[in-house]
Amino acid sequence: EAQVTQNPRYLITVTGKKLTVTCSQNMNHEYMSWYRQDPGLGLRQIYYSMNVEVTDKGDVPEGYKVSRKEKRNFPLILESPSPNQTSLYFCASSGTGTSGGEQYFGPGTRLTVT
Amino acid sequence: GDSVTQMEGPVTLSEEAFLTINCTYTATGYPSLFWYVQYPGEGLQLLLKATKADDKGSNKGFEATYRKETTSFHLEKGSVQVSDSAVYFCALNPNQAGTALIFGKGTTLSVSS
Repeated sequence: EAQVTQNPRYLITVTGKKLTVTCSQNMNHEYMSWYRQDPGLGLRQIYYSMNVEVTDKGDVPEGYKVSRKEKRNFPLILESPSPNQTSLYFCASSGTGTSGGEQYFGPGTRLTVT
Repeated sequence: GDSVTQMEGPVTLSEEAFLTINCTYTATGYPSLFWYVQYPGEGLQLLLKATKADDKGSNKGFEATYRKETTSFHLEKGSVQVSDSAVYFCALNPNQAGTALIFGKGTTLSVSS
């Protein structure tokens, strides 16, 4: 089954404790992206990657890092989380052959930083 | 820059009522347009899409037509069900090349029996 997976689904942590949210896709997609969803703000892009070793900032990259060492994986790293990073995070992927550029989304990771 | 504006919610309807959720966009090129749906506790699923002007996307009884003259992509369904209760997002891809989607803020639909 074609899918995007994320782990963990839920995470509660404390300010300053480094964490990583994993994302993996099994569709051989070149493009991967991270979004955060906040009430009243919709979805905003954090970082994206056009292919292995190619990453770039989205609209709200501050406080986040990413890496793309393998085509299927695109982890999101919060090196020193702060309470304003409490949010619902989605990973998404898309292939160059995808009609119209639609993206496939993971199930989301709900992060709470206290 | 490119943007999407969709009607504020929440929208509350009775089962079998007609649904319209308005979406308008601003884009300099020829974007693709999408409606995504987010059911409670789940991720976003593509509901329907249209890649060029006058295209009609349809799925699960929902429809939306890409209207370039009015820069709109309104979502409609003739008879909603309780199971349609969800958050609906209108989105555009500015360049059809699999890059960032630009989302509206979402509209919450609640359908009661």
